[in-house]
Amino acid sequence: DAGVTQSPTHLIKTRGQQVTLRCSPKSGHDTVSWYQQALGQGPQFIFQYYEEEERQRGNFPDRFSGHQFPNYSSELNVNALLLGDSALYLCASSTGTGVGYGYTFGSGTRLTVV
Amino acid sequence: AQKITQTQPGMFVQEKEAVTLDCTYDTSDPSYGLFWYKQPSSGEMIFLIYQGSYDQQNATEGRYSLNFQKARKSANLVISASQLGDSAMYFCAIGSGTSYGKLTFGQGTILTVHP
Repeated sequence: DAGVTQSPTHLIKTRGQQVTLRCSPKSGHDTVSWYQQALGQGPQFIFQYYEEEERQRGNFPDRFSGHQFPNYSSELNVNALLLGDSALYLCASSTGTGVGYGYTFGSGTRLTVV
Repeated sequence: AQKITQTQPGMFVQEKEAVTLDCTYDTSDPSYGLFWYKQPSSGEMIFLIYQGSYDQQNATEGRYSLNFQKARKSANLVISASQLGDSAMYFCAIGSGTSYGKLTFGQGTILTVHP
């Protein structure tokens, strides 16, 4: 049974560029949440998608946007990249919007902005 | 706003011994959940244990138990019979009310298990 799949695993981008990260949720899960984890820090909630809509959002600027497709997979887009956007981006899937203990996390995409 | 504080940047334990990782929290929401996750070097966050704010008994999952002291706002993780594979980063997190989907994490504790 495949868990959460994230692609790519590593990415290097230049300041000012745009990036798209992808996430396929665990089979049977319909909710996807995205977290940003800077080096040496705990993950920070970016937003959550359910039924193809953004349901909750953390304290991140509009440069961070997302999308959820009918098959429940999701994309995280970041525009006008800054050096401070360098981090591990984690995707977590679950059933429904309110059950944290049901989260399954992926291994993340490590983004480096140079 | 919610906050998680993990005051131990690093902890060391001998194999087969027990270890306690500290976590204190702050929230104004009467209904909340507390979570512990393990993050090995691969990066994946692995769910370990969950405690609801209204649960009367401390949660246990195999070798993991959560020492929940509501009045002190603490939710310490106890790992019994440590194994070399337990070496990893451990995060405490809180979700509130119906918004468990948004978790607030602490800074983490690096646990090293010595043979």
